[in-house]
Amino acid sequence: RKEVEQDPGPFNVPEGATVAFNCTYSNSASQSFFWYRQDCRKEPKLLMSVYSSGNEDGRFTAQLNRASQYISLLIRDSKLSDSATYLCGTGNQFYFGTGTSLTVIP
Amino acid sequence: NAGVMQNPRHLVRRRGQEARLRCSPMKGHSHVYWYRQLPEEGLKFMVYLQKENIIDESGMPKERFSAEFPKEGPSILRIQQVVRGDSAAYFCASSRSGTGVGEQYFGPGTRLTVT
Repeated sequence: RKEVEQDPGPFNVPEGATVAFNCTYSNSASQSFFWYRQDCRKEPKLLMSVYSSGNEDGRFTAQLNRASQYISLLIRDSKLSDSATYLCGTGNQFYFGTGTSLTVIP
Repeated sequence: NAGVMQNPRHLVRRRGQEARLRCSPMKGHSHVYWYRQLPEEGLKFMVYLQKENIIDESGMPKERFSAEFPKEGPSILRIQQVVRGDSAAYFCASSRSGTGVGEQYFGPGTRLTVT
């Protein structure tokens, strides 16, 4: 079983839609989690950190469910500029998921 | 405050040559991580270093690959006798704190092509 698993997608959603991605992790001792955004042929950029139950930043909300060992990323009112690959990662080890591809359609 | 810097951005090597990839962490960061990313795949951890020390190299191939982070100067990822399968994007990241707490900030990557 992989340390971090994500649904690769692709997710194709219309502008203005709400979309959610899940990421499961296998190590119950993991304490910190991160969501990164990666544009094509660019480096991953930190989007949000999650240390406790969740975090919110504008249209983006990350939630942590320790019992089920997953973190989620919710994007409200999707913009065309949100189109990217979203990677989740754990802080204790150095594991990232393979990423979830999002395309927001006009 | 400059971000993580990597050079070269693109590197072409013939099979059997050596590749040297450099990474300068963000100011104030003493933890450096190297990752490899193949097309359509996620980031694969290779090695974690602090100044002059390799902390975790569990993701590093046993042969041909080495990494260092000297007291002065950038971190270096060295690949000897490159093969076609080494073609990938190599990202370096740095953090202020070590594992468990620190957000990692990534450099722009070095795209290695082995011909």
